[in-house]
Amino acid sequence: GAVVSQHPSRVICKSGTSVKIECRSLDFQATTMFWYRQFPKQSLMLMATSNEGSKATYEQGVEKDKFLINHASLTLSTLTVTSAHPEDSSFYICSARSGLARQETQYFGPGTRLLVL
Amino acid sequence: GENVEQHPSTLSVQEGDSAVIKCTYSDSASNYFPWYKQELGKGPQLIIDIRSNVGEKKDQRIAVTLNKTAKHFSLHITETQPEDSAVYFCAASMTGTASKLTFGTGTRLQVTL
Repeated sequence: GAVVSQHPSRVICKSGTSVKIECRSLDFQATTMFWYRQFPKQSLMLMATSNEGSKATYEQGVEKDKFLINHASLTLSTLTVTSAHPEDSSFYICSARSGLARQETQYFGPGTRLLVL
Repeated sequence: GENVEQHPSTLSVQEGDSAVIKCTYSDSASNYFPWYKQELGKGPQLIIDIRSNVGEKKDQRIAVTLNKTAKHFSLHITETQPEDSAVYFCAASMTGTASKLTFGTGTRLQVTL
């Protein structure tokens, strides 16, 4: 159990276009999902916390108008990279929180590799 | 905020030996400490976690110990195998609706034949 999927697994796009990444919890409901960014050989950097039915909470330095997050249901959160530029090329990973209060666990998706040309 | 330090950054062991990765955290309010394994090109996979009401937890060849007084926790892998080669991340957080994980910088484990 506790499977999180992401789609697409990799995407190549032209500079200036927008890209949408989907994150789904397949066998559990997640009121909270998280979006991370990871550069090569580095740790995970939290971008934002996605809450079902409400606005996402962005970490300091992350542009909310550039990285649009929508958590429309208990099993789906989407990240849209708007007007992508080469510096947005990275590995984007989502996670979903499962479990009851004080026993929650975070499960990660397989990641999406974005390359902006 | 929470700060998590992880050592070593790289670790090479021979197959069958044990591997130990250590992490320290700064926020005494943290009470949840998971460990993730990340293989190249994949997302992190939860391998074991520990909550502050216990000092040690074991799952087959993997064990985690927690010392809340010293604010450090460790991952122990026994009888290492080549498939254990990966990057391992420790993390710390409080539990609750506002909680978010703070990750260590990662340890690249290489198990050699």
